[in-house]
Amino acid sequence: ETGVTQTPRHLVMGMTNKKSLKCEQHLGHNAMYWYKQSAKKPLELMFVYSLEERVENNSVPSRFSPECPNSSHLFLHLHTLQPEDSALYLCASSPGTSTSTDTQYFGPGTRLTVL
Amino acid sequence: RKEVEQDPGPFNVPEGATVAFNCTYSNSASQSFFWYRQDCRKEPKLLMSVYSSGNEDGRFTAQLNRASQYISLLIRDSKLSDSATYLCVVGNTGGFKTIFGAGTRLFVKA
Repeated sequence: ETGVTQTPRHLVMGMTNKKSLKCEQHLGHNAMYWYKQSAKKPLELMFVYSLEERVENNSVPSRFSPECPNSSHLFLHLHTLQPEDSALYLCASSPGTSTSTDTQYFGPGTRLTVL
Repeated sequence: RKEVEQDPGPFNVPEGATVAFNCTYSNSASQSFFWYRQDCRKEPKLLMSVYSSGNEDGRFTAQLNRASQYISLLIRDSKLSDSATYLCVVGNTGGFKTIFGAGTRLFVKA
């Protein structure tokens, strides 16, 4: 299944590094999402973009910076992360533009480890 | 109170068993409800949406009780391949804010 792809699949970085996570959706969807999934915790919504405009920002620390250059691509720029930021970062997309009723399609995630 | 709460699990059941998962939500204005399935080290995938009238898809039945703010998922005739974590998801009015429960782990054993 290649509807939503994410790269890299695994990333190890030091606290002073700068890295970026990439997500691409091939489904023609209008909305894209970043989620954080930590061990034994619910998925946490981080950012939502609809038609390349950020529509949701869940009080995420500024060391996480999203970018949506077009409706098919979504980036998450990382800098000066902390060890507690280690988690699985999931990207998702959905067809709609203004509703929370759509099915979300997830990518395989990037497993991030911050040393 | 958590916005979406699920049975903590894990549920360990034999093949062929019937198992039910419960989920409660705190926002009475919530408008959309889903069950997602997440296999070990995989991404979540939609299992089924939950409608006010209830809905069934093969061995899976979902129910919604708005008065009690309660959602359920019933799995009949469990298969080994049903082993996964089941996530209750609630969407609030308007916008894109969907809240995921922590999930309930199911193990189906031969």
